[in-house]
Amino acid sequence: AQSVTQLDSQVPVFEEAPVELRCNYSSSVSVYLFWYVQYPNQGLQLLLKYLSGSTLVKGINGFEAEFNKSQTSFHLRKPSVHISDTAEYFCAVSPSGTDKLIFGTGTRLQVFP
Amino acid sequence: GAVVSQHPSRVICKSGTSVKIECRSLDFQATTMFWYRQFPKKSLMLMATSNEGSKATYEQGVEKDKFLINHASLTLSTLTVTSAHPEDSSFYICSFQRSYNEQFFGPGTRLTVL
Repeated sequence: AQSVTQLDSQVPVFEEAPVELRCNYSSSVSVYLFWYVQYPNQGLQLLLKYLSGSTLVKGINGFEAEFNKSQTSFHLRKPSVHISDTAEYFCAVSPSGTDKLIFGTGTRLQVFP
Repeated sequence: GAVVSQHPSRVICKSGTSVKIECRSLDFQATTMFWYRQFPKKSLMLMATSNEGSKATYEQGVEKDKFLINHASLTLSTLTVTSAHPEDSSFYICSFQRSYNEQFFGPGTRLTVL
């Protein structure tokens, strides 16, 4: 079985500061990895995904994530956050060969002026 | 990105009644869609996978007779919570799959059963 752990339920940060949202997963099979963002009253939007190839993945809105197989991690980073980045962020895995997504519990990123 | 709508966004009902939640893909057609449930401070849990024109495949522990899924067309799916009870109160989210590993999510429906 697969599982996803997002240890930080909330991450407060000041505007223009860097941020890292942590994601670890466990799986006995190879997986694809995803980060989604959810703004208030909106559906989840895909930020980025890792399927294969380069372990550093760049996404929308200046976010990037690095797949680390040995540490089973897929942490999300942004060098300088904006107020508009305030949202809920979900890490997810999908076992290769399936369409299913298994989500973490989410991290609330709160950016302060 | 693609747009998926859900209706209603919020619903409050009495225990024992049935509630229907509608999920529409507004700008693409999809054979496969998913229904999720989210409890407060918990992750999204996949309830079922639905292919248009076929019976839905439910995840372990999800009662198919309580959560009826109708995927009538390539752009519309409904989830009916039958004989709802307070423990069914939750946030229900749908998604349509446009291509492999590419899902587009609705904004969710908050169900409160009194």
